[in-house]
Amino acid sequence: EVLLVESGGGLVQPGGSLRLSCAASGFTFSSYSMSWVRQAPGKGLEWVSVINNSGVNTYYADSVKGRFTISRDNSKNTLYLQMNSLRAEDTAVYYCAKVYSYGSGRAFDIWGQGTMVTVSS
Amino acid sequence: EIVMTQSPATLSVSPGERATLSCRASQSVSSNLAWYQQKPGQAPRLLIYGASTRATGIPARFSGSGSGTEFTLTISSLQSEDFAVYYCQQFDNWPSLTFGGGTKVEIK
Repeated sequence: EVLLVESGGGLVQPGGSLRLSCAASGFTFSSYSMSWVRQAPGKGLEWVSVINNSGVNTYYADSVKGRFTISRDNSKNTLYLQMNSLRAEDTAVYYCAKVYSYGSGRAFDIWGQGTMVTVSS
Repeated sequence: EIVMTQSPATLSVSPGERATLSCRASQSVSSNLAWYQQKPGQAPRLLIYGASTRATGIPARFSGSGSGTEFTLTISSLQSEDFAVYYCQQFDNWPSLTFGGGTKVEIK
């Protein structure tokens, strides 16, 4: 079974840091780009970051650029999101997602169950 | 940034009826568009990719169409399990990926 399991969420004060993890199983993790998507309470989905299969290329939404860092350890089948200088507006459920590539197109075909991050004093 | 606009925000439909959801892109995204379904407390699930290809295990009552800037998700005969929020997402402007604001399909 293909599975993504996030962990590492919690309550953090504004300006603090948190590292999220996403453990992958059931597929060849090192062959796929991976992404983080977040959803603030009662709101829609927001793409956060993506990393290619080797970890060399990383990209970020403007809202998190310079504060968040995506990385991966293919030997551990794990994706990470290091979040620094956290703000109240970063409060959200954070999902990891596997990137499915077909021809010139892509989609997020597998999603984790999400981990909640709350930024509050 | 490509802005994705979904309409309507809420769609009230009776079970067994047809539902038509729209997604518009601020510039052409070719056919690089996906649709997702999200139920309360759950992660999104991929329904359609490439604007019109159903993902694995998705029932045939779900269909996608369109290209360029105008896209449609149609649910031919709504079942109880289809009441949820639906999002479109463009992948054309990789890696800057944007979602629409969502359409909530509720029971009429």
